[in-house]
Amino acid sequence: GQQLNQSPQSMFIQEGEDVSMNCTSSSIFNTWLWYKQDPGEGPVLLIALYKAGELTSNGRLTAQFGITRKDSFLNISASIPSDVGIYFCRNTDKLIFGTGTRLQVFP
Amino acid sequence: GAVVSQHPSRVICKSGTSVKIECRSLDFQATTMFWYRQFPKKSLMLMATSNEGSKATYEQGVEKDKFLINHASLTLSTLTVTSAHPEDSSFYICSLWDRTKGQYFGPGTRLTVT
Repeated sequence: GQQLNQSPQSMFIQEGEDVSMNCTSSSIFNTWLWYKQDPGEGPVLLIALYKAGELTSNGRLTAQFGITRKDSFLNISASIPSDVGIYFCRNTDKLIFGTGTRLQVFP
Repeated sequence: GAVVSQHPSRVICKSGTSVKIECRSLDFQATTMFWYRQFPKKSLMLMATSNEGSKATYEQGVEKDKFLINHASLTLSTLTVTSAHPEDSSFYICSLWDRTKGQYFGPGTRLTVT
């Protein structure tokens, strides 16, 4: 069935470093959403993307909707310890969540 | 503040018993509610979609007789795991959707079946 593959699966970085992760699909989508899930909590929406090529920022977070409409990227600049969590991409076409990228930030 | 609440936040039960999880909308009337299940270190998997006043639509592979969903009002949906077994242990998350407000996720309920 449909699947959104995220890469990398896990990241371990030093505080202050930048982070980049991506999400790819075999199908074309009209909307990309990025969520963060803290341990033991539900996911929280970070950024929503609605058209191909769109680049949107939310504080230190920047996300882009790929031109092919089959991928999206999320970048976090100058990471801090509270960025720890699992980041999921998701589309609203099929209500599918990506496989997730687990981020660990060390002080 | 929180838009969606779930109760309980954590539950431990014996194998064979049934467990009810509540999902409440605190801020708006949700016409549609979703239930997800998340196994450790895995992504959220959609279990079912429920519309107020009608039967829930279950995803392929999810047993409707085992996971009973009742969307009795625009602010409350319940998920009952019947005759729970250890393999049902998981993190269950509800989500509400309204066409003007968008979609919000609950804080989740961790179920452990011993």
